[in-house]
Amino acid sequence: GAVVSQHPSWVICKSGTSVKIECRSLDFQATTMFWYRQFPKQSLMLMATSNEGSKATYEQGVEKDKFLINHASLTLSTLTVTSAHPEDSSFYICSASGPELNTDTQYFGPGTRLTVL
Amino acid sequence: ELKVEQNPLFLSMQEGKNYTIYCNYSTTSDRLYWYRQDPGKSLESLFVLLSNGAVKQEGRLMASLDTKARLSTLHITAAVHDLSATYFCAVGPFYGGATNKLIFGTGTLLAVQP
Repeated sequence: GAVVSQHPSWVICKSGTSVKIECRSLDFQATTMFWYRQFPKQSLMLMATSNEGSKATYEQGVEKDKFLINHASLTLSTLTVTSAHPEDSSFYICSASGPELNTDTQYFGPGTRLTVL
Repeated sequence: ELKVEQNPLFLSMQEGKNYTIYCNYSTTSDRLYWYRQDPGKSLESLFVLLSNGAVKQEGRLMASLDTKARLSTLHITAAVHDLSATYFCAVGPFYGGATNKLIFGTGTLLAVQP
């Protein structure tokens, strides 16, 4: 149980375009979802925390107008990178937690690799 | 500012040898997590340590937690090539902070040589 999926797994886009990444909890209700970014050979950096039905809480230094997060249902959160640029190229990983599970445990998705040309 | 630091950052070791990875954190926390990440993949949960003195073992890996020293260790016994990966510790949640927020350590890249 506690499976989290992400779509797509890899996306290549042109500079200036927007890209949407989906994060789904397949077998539980995710009241909280987290979005992380990981640059090559670096650790995971938390970008934002989203609770279902409310606005996301962004970490310091993360532009909320550039990284749009929507958590409209208990099984789906989306991250939209608007007007992507090469410096946005990274590995984006989501995680989820919910009341059916141990609420202090996050279950991680497989990640989405974004390459901006 | 909260910091979670791991030591070493990179470790090359021979099969059959033992070694310990250290994770230091700078503020009080409820629990500590260890994850494994293979190249190009997401995180695999290894251990959750919930209290001072907690020790957990799975195969050749053993993790411990000392909340007073704000230190966790991941001990590798008789390493094998399959253990080659990057290992992260993560700390959270935090008193007075956002629910379930985790802060990740710098990561330790482990390469086990035949």
